[in-house]
Amino acid sequence: DAGVTQSPTHLIKTRGQHVTLRCSPISGHKSVSWYQQVLGQGPQFIFQYYEKEERGRGNFPDRFSARQFPNYSSELNVNALLLGDSALYLCASREWGTDTQYFGPGTRLTVL
Amino acid sequence: GENVEQHPSTLSVQEGDSAVIKCTYSDSASNYFPWYKQELGKRPQLIIDIRSNVGEKKDQRIAVTLNKTAKHFSLHITETQPEDSAVYFCAPIQEDSGGGADGLTFGKGTHLIIQP
Repeated sequence: DAGVTQSPTHLIKTRGQHVTLRCSPISGHKSVSWYQQVLGQGPQFIFQYYEKEERGRGNFPDRFSARQFPNYSSELNVNALLLGDSALYLCASREWGTDTQYFGPGTRLTVL
Repeated sequence: GENVEQHPSTLSVQEGDSAVIKCTYSDSASNYFPWYKQELGKRPQLIIDIRSNVGEKKDQRIAVTLNKTAKHFSLHITETQPEDSAVYFCAPIQEDSGGGADGLTFGKGTHLIIQP
């Protein structure tokens, strides 16, 4: 049984570019959340989606956006990349109504 | 929003000894208290959690205790082993009947080092 998967594993971009990160949740999980983890810090909540609708948003600028597809996979988009966007981006899925979030391996984004 | 603090930020113990990490939170409505372990370069993994109607929970060498009055909960690891070396995060949250609208608020983490 596959866990949460994310692609790509690593990504290098330059300032001003945009990036799209992808996440596939555990089969049967309809809720997907995105987190940003800067080196040496705990993950910070960006978005939560359930049934293709945004259900929660953290304190991130409008350059960050996301969406969820009918198969419950999700994309995180970041526009006008800044050096400070360099981080590990984690996706987590869970069954709606339960507490436990299962994390994917993350996408390591480096902005030069 | 929730303010979360973890102490200590780094903890070094001898193999076989016990380790205790404390998490203090601000939102009295929090009712779900998980601990995550993150090894270097890997994803966070849930190792133990507790709900507000329980004061203590144990799973083999790992236990979590909750003091709702004082708004803190602690992770206890006994008989520490080299594979316990990792960063540990607490992430208290209020879960409602709708599954919760907000994401987890993580502490800054505690780097646990097991000395051989």
